Amino acid sequence: AQSVTQLDSHVSVSEGTPVLLRCNYSSSYSPSLFWYVQHPNKGLQLLLKYTSAATLVKGINGFEAEFKKSETSFHLTKPSAHMSDAAEYFCVVSDLGSGNTGKLIFGQGTTLQVKP
Amino acid sequence: GAGVSQSPSNKVTEKGKDVELRCDPISGHTALYWYRQRLGQGLEFLIYFQGNSAPDKSGLPSDRFSAERTGESVSTLTIQRTQQEDSAVYLCASSSAGTGPYEQYFGPGTRLTVT
Repeated sequence: AQSVTQLDSHVSVSEGTPVLLRCNYSSSYSPSLFWYVQHPNKGLQLLLKYTSAATLVKGINGFEAEFKKSETSFHLTKPSAHMSDAAEYFCVVSDLGSGNTGKLIFGQGTTLQVKP
Repeated sequence: GAGVSQSPSNKVTEKGKDVELRCDPISGHTALYWYRQRLGQGLEFLIYFQGNSAPDKSGLPSDRFSAERTGESVSTLTIQRTQQEDSAVYLCASSSAGTGPYEQYFGPGTRLTVT
């Protein structure tokens, strides 16, 4: 069965400093991994996805993530945080088990706080 | 183009009442998913529809929960005899294909409060 674990429930950074949101996954298959962002009172938005192509994935708003099979990790990074990045971030794996429905399995989320 | 829409945006109901939540997927999307998000938590999968195939109901938490979808259009999620633990945001997502890691587009959700 697939699962994801977000290692930090809350991350606080200063504006202009790097962002690192950590995610480890567990999968019996070659996983498809995603990062979604949820701004307050707004819907979920896809930041980026990994689907077994390049291991370094670039997403929107300057975010990127690197798939590391040896470490079973898919950490999200951004070189310089902006105030507008403050939101809830979810690491997600797509269910590729029996039936292959494509349902998404979400981590518990990481709240990113950006201080001025 | 129009995204996924859901109605109502907010619903407050008394314990024991039935509620019906609606989802309008993106036109042409064959796959439709319902998820539940409890306060401060990630999303939990509830049910999946793909075209005219039998739905995957493996995520429904109890027999009080049911959902329908007619063809590739609107879906309704019904919760009977609501309980306080049903309070959550219910999110709908649609996708252009039912298998594989295709991007799911989420609606804004329905916030359900059971008093």
